[in-house]
Amino acid sequence: DAGVIQSPRHEVTEMGQEVTLRCKPISGHNSLFWYRQTMMRGLELLIYFNNNVPIDDSGMPEDRFSAKMPNASFSTLKIQPSEPRDSAVYFCASSLGLTPGQPYNEQFFGPGTRLTVL
Amino acid sequence: AQKVTQAQTEISVVEKEDVTLDCVYETRDTTYYLFWYKQPPSGELVFLIRRNSFDEQNEISGRYSWNFQKSTSSFNFTITASQVVDSAVYFCALIPPGNQFYFGTGTSLTVIP
Repeated sequence: DAGVIQSPRHEVTEMGQEVTLRCKPISGHNSLFWYRQTMMRGLELLIYFNNNVPIDDSGMPEDRFSAKMPNASFSTLKIQPSEPRDSAVYFCASSLGLTPGQPYNEQFFGPGTRLTVL
Repeated sequence: AQKVTQAQTEISVVEKEDVTLDCVYETRDTTYYLFWYKQPPSGELVFLIRRNSFDEQNEISGRYSWNFQKSTSSFNFTITASQVVDSAVYFCALIPPGNQFYFGTGTSLTVIP
């Protein structure tokens, strides 16, 4: 298996631009997680999906952030408009969760997308 | 309040020494999960272990072991006979009902050859 795939690996954009991060989970996994890591705030869970349905998005920082999972093999995290404080590494992870309320089996992480907003 | 404390910011050990990374958590919930993650210098994240609050058995996986003690709200991680490849930042996380993750600030471990 190719593992969790994220694209792009690096993104540099200017403030105000729309940014779309992409994630392909491991085939057969039914839970998908988006994390953000910054020096200031550390690691944060932004949102997670179970069977393509968003279960908890309480970690999404504000309305500028949105995430979708149109099918079991693809998810996007969009920031519109982007701001310098969104600069971070964004990780996607997938797992074979048990139920929507108990998704926490072993998680497999993608390599991350390093986003820089100028 | 939900909180995870990893009081050890940085630890250095000489190869083959044993090292324990501390994780203390705060929660009023009786049901929760605890995780450990590893982040090597290359930056990727690696999931190490999941423990639910009803399972207090200690776990051993090769050179890694975890000691979960509800009485002291701790979930400590021990590496036996450390190796240079163990050099990484290690994060502990608490997941109470409601599914929000509470991460510790991480412990940076350096294993000196």
